[in-house]
Amino acid sequence: GAGVSQSPRYKVAKRGQDVALRCDPISGHVSLFWYQQALGQGPEFLTYFQNEAQLDKSGLPSDRFFAERPEGSVSTLKIQRTQQEDSAVYLCASSPGTGGWHQPQHFGDGTRLSIL
Amino acid sequence: AQKVTQAQTEISVVEKEDVTLDCVYETRDTTYYLFWYKQPPSGELVFLIRRNSFDEQNEISGRYSWNFQKSTSSFNFTITASQVVDSAVYFCALSEGTTDSWGKFQFGAGTQVVVTP
Repeated sequence: GAGVSQSPRYKVAKRGQDVALRCDPISGHVSLFWYQQALGQGPEFLTYFQNEAQLDKSGLPSDRFFAERPEGSVSTLKIQRTQQEDSAVYLCASSPGTGGWHQPQHFGDGTRLSIL
Repeated sequence: AQKVTQAQTEISVVEKEDVTLDCVYETRDTTYYLFWYKQPPSGELVFLIRRNSFDEQNEISGRYSWNFQKSTSSFNFTITASQVVDSAVYFCALSEGTTDSWGKFQFGAGTQVVVTP
């Protein structure tokens, strides 16, 4: 497809389970971003990749959150030992170059994660 | 601290009315970009407009226009002659040019726009 693709669209997990969320950026896009969006709030930055290098992970809430992009294209956000406060929509975005700060980021539809 | 403030939680208008969304930002950087995004019920954030800190010229693009004023740190967005399809949540975002802010968009809480026929 032409846009950013995220899967699954919805994920329900029991507290304590591990989850993995996938992001397929727009083909050829160098920069990839993950955001967390709580209900009724704006997206909050989690982490940023330039190709396979994770340049900023300052927004990851705890060491239970881990992101990777091993081949510089698809990215996976993993959450270990999920907790109820992890319930949110997780958005992935990509942009074409390395000038992430001035280029528009193109977002996927997000993964809605619900922790029971 | 919240760097982008969208004071309006929800705006309801009747079709064909104009809608102005307020955005106030805070930054110490002299170089930054401001963005407006639209989030329809499907969830995808759609890029609308971008403005850099060195260009205060206000523009119109179709039914969209924006008013950027550095003196008041505001970046307001107007939809002219609103349509039902404009119903969505609109987000203002700040991107600062410092190295530790690279790629880190900071979003406001959003304004829900409801356009009724």
